[in-house]
Amino acid sequence: GAGVSQSPRYKVAKRGQDVALRCDPISGHVSLFWYQQALGQGPEFLTYFQNEAQLDKSGLPSDRFFAERPEGSVSTLKIQRTQQEDSAVYLCASSLARTTPQFFGPGTRLTVL
Amino acid sequence: DQQVKQNSPSLSVQEGRISILNCDYTNSMFDYFLWYKKYPAEGPTFLISISSIKDKNEDGRFTVFLNKSAKHLSLHIVPSQPGDSAVYFCAASAFGNTGKLIFGQGTTLQVKP
Repeated sequence: GAGVSQSPRYKVAKRGQDVALRCDPISGHVSLFWYQQALGQGPEFLTYFQNEAQLDKSGLPSDRFFAERPEGSVSTLKIQRTQQEDSAVYLCASSLARTTPQFFGPGTRLTVL
Repeated sequence: DQQVKQNSPSLSVQEGRISILNCDYTNSMFDYFLWYKKYPAEGPTFLISISSIKDKNEDGRFTVFLNKSAKHLSLHIVPSQPGDSAVYFCAASAFGNTGKLIFGQGTTLQVKP
Protein backbone atom coordinates (compact mmCIF):
# COMPACT_ATOMS: atom_id res chain seq x y z
CA GLY A 1 0.00 0.00 0.00
CA ALA A 2 1.02 3.60 0.55
CA GLY A 3 4.29 4.55 2.17
CA VAL A 4 4.88 6.16 5.55
CA SER A 5 3.17 9.52 5.88
CA GLN A 6 3.85 12.30 8.36
CA SER A 7 2.05 15.48 9.25
CA PRO A 8 2.51 18.34 9.37
CA ARG A 9 5.41 18.59 6.92
CA TYR A 10 6.50 21.89 8.45
CA LYS A 11 5.84 23.32 11.90
CA VAL A 12 6.93 26.64 13.34
CA ALA A 13 6.53 27.00 17.10
CA LYS A 14 7.32 29.73 19.54
CA ARG A 15 9.63 28.76 22.35
CA GLY A 16 7.59 27.23 25.16
CA GLN A 17 4.78 25.93 22.95
CA ASP A 18 3.77 22.29 22.84
CA VAL A 19 3.78 20.48 19.47
CA ALA A 20 2.42 17.14 18.25
CA LEU A 21 3.82 15.33 15.23
CA ARG A 22 1.91 12.50 13.58
CA CYS A 23 3.12 9.38 11.79
CA ASP A 24 1.08 6.90 9.74
CA PRO A 25 3.22 3.80 9.16
CA ILE A 26 2.90 1.28 6.36
CA SER A 27 -0.09 -0.96 7.01
CA GLY A 28 0.96 -4.20 8.71
CA HIS A 29 4.31 -2.94 9.94
CA VAL A 30 4.58 -3.80 13.62
CA SER A 31 7.79 -1.85 14.22
CA LEU A 32 7.76 1.94 14.33
CA PHE A 33 10.73 4.21 14.97
CA TRP A 34 11.18 7.94 15.51
CA TYR A 35 14.45 9.66 14.60
CA GLN A 36 15.69 13.24 14.89
CA GLN A 37 17.90 14.68 12.16
CA ALA A 38 19.89 17.85 12.71
CA LEU A 39 21.23 19.81 9.76
CA GLY A 40 24.20 18.11 8.14
CA GLN A 41 23.97 15.01 10.32
CA GLY A 42 22.56 11.53 10.01
CA PRO A 43 19.27 10.65 11.71
CA GLU A 44 19.52 9.82 15.42
CA PHE A 45 17.26 7.31 17.13
CA LEU A 46 14.63 8.60 19.55
CA THR A 47 12.22 5.78 20.35
CA TYR A 48 10.84 2.41 19.16
CA PHE A 49 7.41 0.76 19.26
CA GLN A 50 6.49 -2.84 18.64
CA ASN A 51 2.77 -2.62 17.99
CA GLU A 52 1.45 -0.44 20.84
CA ALA A 53 4.30 -1.20 23.25
CA GLN A 54 7.08 1.37 23.57
CA LEU A 55 10.05 -0.94 24.03
CA ASP A 56 12.89 1.54 23.77
CA LYS A 57 12.86 5.23 24.57
CA SER A 58 16.55 5.55 25.30
CA GLY A 59 17.07 8.19 22.62
CA LEU A 60 14.52 10.72 23.86
CA PRO A 61 16.64 13.76 24.81
CA SER A 62 14.55 14.91 27.76
CA ASP A 63 11.31 14.31 29.63
CA ARG A 64 9.75 17.00 27.45
CA PHE A 65 9.60 14.41 24.67
CA PHE A 66 6.78 11.87 24.76
CA ALA A 67 5.61 9.36 22.16
CA GLU A 68 2.61 7.08 21.93
CA ARG A 69 1.06 4.51 19.60
CA PRO A 70 -2.13 3.55 21.44
CA GLU A 71 -3.68 1.23 18.85
CA GLY A 72 -0.52 -0.09 17.30
CA SER A 73 -0.79 1.90 14.09
CA VAL A 74 -0.63 5.72 14.08
CA SER A 75 1.97 7.26 16.36
CA THR A 76 2.32 10.75 17.81
CA LEU A 77 5.51 12.38 19.02
CA LYS A 78 4.81 15.21 21.43
CA ILE A 79 7.30 17.83 22.53
CA GLN A 80 6.32 19.98 25.47
CA ARG A 81 7.68 23.47 26.15
CA THR A 82 9.72 23.51 22.95
CA GLN A 83 13.24 24.95 23.02
CA GLN A 84 15.36 26.27 20.16
CA GLU A 85 17.59 23.18 20.32
CA ASP A 86 14.53 21.07 19.41
CA SER A 87 14.63 22.55 15.89
CA ALA A 88 15.31 19.60 13.57
CA VAL A 89 13.65 17.24 11.12
CA TYR A 90 11.70 14.49 12.86
CA LEU A 91 11.53 11.28 10.86
CA CYS A 92 9.27 8.31 11.34
CA ALA A 93 10.07 4.85 9.95
CA SER A 94 8.33 1.50 9.98
CA SER A 95 9.40 -2.07 9.27
CA LEU A 96 8.14 -5.63 9.39
CA ALA A 97 10.95 -7.01 11.56
CA ARG A 98 14.42 -6.16 12.86
CA THR A 99 16.38 -7.46 9.88
CA THR A 100 14.11 -5.97 7.27
CA PRO A 101 14.51 -2.47 5.89
CA GLN A 102 12.98 0.50 7.64
CA PHE A 103 10.96 2.73 5.35
CA PHE A 104 10.92 6.40 6.18
CA GLY A 105 8.31 9.10 5.90
CA PRO A 106 9.09 12.55 4.46
CA GLY A 107 9.71 14.02 7.91
CA THR A 108 8.39 17.01 9.81
CA ARG A 109 10.68 20.04 9.87
CA LEU A 110 10.25 21.75 13.24
CA THR A 111 11.52 25.28 13.70
CA VAL A 112 11.38 26.76 17.20
CA LEU A 113 11.67 30.55 17.30
CA ASP B 1 31.38 8.15 20.13
CA GLN B 2 30.55 7.74 16.43
CA GLN B 3 29.89 4.05 15.88
CA VAL B 4 29.28 4.49 12.15
CA LYS B 5 31.52 6.81 10.17
CA GLN B 6 31.45 8.08 6.64
CA ASN B 7 34.76 9.86 6.34
CA SER B 8 34.16 11.46 2.94
CA PRO B 9 31.66 14.32 3.17
CA SER B 10 31.43 14.56 -0.61
CA LEU B 11 32.23 12.72 -3.83
CA SER B 12 32.07 13.87 -7.44
CA VAL B 13 32.09 11.44 -10.39
CA GLN B 14 31.43 11.59 -14.09
CA GLU B 15 28.25 10.12 -15.55
CA GLY B 16 28.78 6.51 -16.60
CA ARG B 17 31.67 5.93 -14.21
CA ILE B 18 31.63 3.98 -10.94
CA SER B 19 30.76 5.70 -7.66
CA ILE B 20 32.20 4.12 -4.51
CA LEU B 21 30.91 5.28 -1.15
CA ASN B 22 32.59 4.04 2.01
CA CYS B 23 31.52 3.44 5.58
CA ASP B 24 33.38 2.22 8.67
CA TYR B 25 31.94 0.96 11.93
CA THR B 26 33.28 0.13 15.36
CA ASN B 27 30.60 -2.01 17.03
CA SER B 28 31.24 -5.73 16.43
CA MET B 29 27.62 -6.48 17.39
CA PHE B 30 26.32 -4.84 14.21
CA ASP B 31 24.90 -7.58 12.00
CA TYR B 32 22.61 -5.77 9.54
CA PHE B 33 23.66 -2.89 7.34
CA LEU B 34 21.73 -0.62 5.02
CA TRP B 35 22.29 2.20 2.56
CA TYR B 36 19.83 5.03 2.13
CA LYS B 37 19.65 7.85 -0.39
CA LYS B 38 18.24 11.22 0.56
CA TYR B 39 17.09 14.11 -1.58
CA PRO B 40 16.48 17.56 -0.05
CA ALA B 41 13.17 17.92 1.80
CA GLU B 42 12.46 14.18 1.54
CA GLY B 43 12.91 11.29 3.93
CA PRO B 44 15.68 8.72 3.38
CA THR B 45 14.90 6.19 0.67
CA PHE B 46 16.03 2.59 1.20
CA LEU B 47 18.51 1.39 -1.43
CA ILE B 48 20.06 -1.91 -0.43
CA SER B 49 20.93 -3.93 2.65
CA ILE B 50 23.25 -6.74 3.68
CA SER B 51 23.31 -9.20 6.54
CA SER B 52 26.60 -9.99 8.24
CA ILE B 53 26.42 -13.59 7.01
CA LYS B 54 27.11 -12.30 3.50
CA ASP B 55 29.93 -10.27 2.04
CA LYS B 56 28.16 -8.99 -1.05
CA ASN B 57 24.66 -8.10 -2.15
CA GLU B 58 23.68 -6.81 -5.55
CA ASP B 59 20.55 -5.06 -6.84
CA GLY B 60 20.72 -3.68 -10.35
CA ARG B 61 23.30 -0.89 -10.50
CA PHE B 62 23.88 -1.04 -6.74
CA THR B 63 26.23 -3.45 -4.96
CA VAL B 64 27.11 -3.42 -1.28
CA PHE B 65 30.29 -5.09 -0.04
CA LEU B 66 30.90 -5.99 3.60
CA ASN B 67 34.35 -6.68 5.05
CA LYS B 68 33.70 -7.81 8.63
CA SER B 69 37.33 -8.16 9.62
CA ALA B 70 37.98 -4.55 8.61
CA LYS B 71 34.57 -3.37 9.88
CA HIS B 72 34.06 -1.68 6.55
CA LEU B 73 31.30 -1.57 3.98
CA SER B 74 31.04 0.12 0.65
CA LEU B 75 28.36 0.93 -1.90
CA HIS B 76 29.20 0.70 -5.59
CA ILE B 77 26.99 2.38 -8.17
CA VAL B 78 27.68 1.35 -11.76
CA PRO B 79 27.09 3.15 -14.04
CA SER B 80 26.49 6.40 -12.20
CA GLN B 81 23.69 8.62 -13.46
CA PRO B 82 22.95 12.31 -12.78
CA GLY B 83 19.77 11.26 -10.94
CA ASP B 84 21.97 9.47 -8.41
CA SER B 85 23.12 12.86 -7.09
CA ALA B 86 21.97 12.91 -3.46
CA VAL B 87 23.19 12.38 0.09
CA TYR B 88 23.94 8.75 0.90
CA PHE B 89 23.77 7.38 4.44
CA CYS B 90 24.98 4.04 5.70
CA ALA B 91 23.26 2.62 8.75
CA ALA B 92 23.68 -0.39 11.01
CA SER B 93 21.69 -2.31 13.56
CA ALA B 94 23.01 -4.58 16.30
CA PHE B 95 22.10 -8.15 17.13
CA GLY B 96 19.96 -8.36 20.25
CA ASN B 97 18.84 -4.80 19.83
CA THR B 98 15.41 -3.40 19.01
CA GLY B 99 16.38 -2.72 15.42
CA LYS B 100 17.21 0.94 15.92
CA LEU B 101 19.54 2.15 13.23
CA ILE B 102 22.82 3.95 13.86
CA PHE B 103 23.58 6.26 10.94
CA GLY B 104 26.75 7.73 9.53
CA GLN B 105 27.00 11.44 8.80
CA GLY B 106 26.33 11.04 5.10
CA THR B 107 28.24 11.52 1.85
CA THR B 108 27.02 13.93 -0.80
CA LEU B 109 27.39 12.39 -4.25
CA GLN B 110 27.41 14.59 -7.33
CA VAL B 111 27.26 12.88 -10.72
CA LYS B 112 28.24 15.24 -13.51
CA PRO B 113 26.75 14.83 -16.99
